[in-house]
Amino acid sequence: AQSVTQLDSQVPVFEEAPVELRCNYSSSVSVYLFWYVQYPNQGLQLLLKYLSGSTLVKGINGFEAEFNKSQTSFHLRKPSVHISDTAEYFCAVSERAAGNKLTFGGGTRVLVKP
Amino acid sequence: DAGITQSPRHKVTETGTPVTLRCHQTENHRYMYWYRQDPGHGLRLIHYSYGVKDTDKGEVSDGYSVSRSKTEDFLLTLESATSSQTSVYFCAISDLAGDGYETQYFGPGTRLLVL
Repeated sequence: AQSVTQLDSQVPVFEEAPVELRCNYSSSVSVYLFWYVQYPNQGLQLLLKYLSGSTLVKGINGFEAEFNKSQTSFHLRKPSVHISDTAEYFCAVSERAAGNKLTFGGGTRVLVKP
Repeated sequence: DAGITQSPRHKVTETGTPVTLRCHQTENHRYMYWYRQDPGHGLRLIHYSYGVKDTDKGEVSDGYSVSRSKTEDFLLTLESATSSQTSVYFCAISDLAGDGYETQYFGPGTRLLVL
C-alpha cells in the first residue's frame, strides 16, 4: 500500500522569501505524484503533477517540484512567496496500477507574513 | 472550473439520524469520488464510482454508502450519523487531460457537524 508523509505540518515564511514543502512517499510500484493547494474555505486546486519525463515539474503560480526516485521525494518550492500563497498544501500519490485513486499526505499549512 | 456542485454546503445533525450529501456535475465525467478531510489526515477516500450503478469502497468506507443512478449525481449517505463522522466532505471528478491522465478536480466541500 502507498503512503505519503508531509514532514512539516506548518511553515511560517516572510513575504518574498523562498519556501520548500517536503513530501516523501512509499510505494512498491511506479507512481504519479501531485501537489494540490487549498485556500481557506475552498476546495482543492491542482498545482502541478508528475507523470513521467523530466523530474522538474513547473506548475501554476510560480511553484515547481522535483521528483527524486532514489529518495522517494517530491518536494515543492517557490523562490518568492506572496501573501496570497497563504494556504494549505497537499501532496498526493497515485499508483500507476491503481487507476485514479489518490492517497494524500496530512497537509502543510503555509502562513506568509508581511 | 469542472462544473461540480455540492449540497448542502453546511449541515448540523444529531447522532443517529440519516444524512445524504449530494454531488452534482455538469460535464458528463465518468469517475466520481467522495473524500473526507480531517486535520492531520489530509483527504481520505470514502467511495468512488466509475459509472452509473458502478461503485467501490475506498480507504474509510465503514458507516457510509453511495449511489449513482445518473451520470451527473453521486450521493453519499450516512445511514446513522456518529460524532466521528463530523468532517468536511469533498466530491471529486476525473477528467482526461491532454497528457492522458485522469486528473481529479474537487468540489467546494460540505461541512458536516454531528452533535
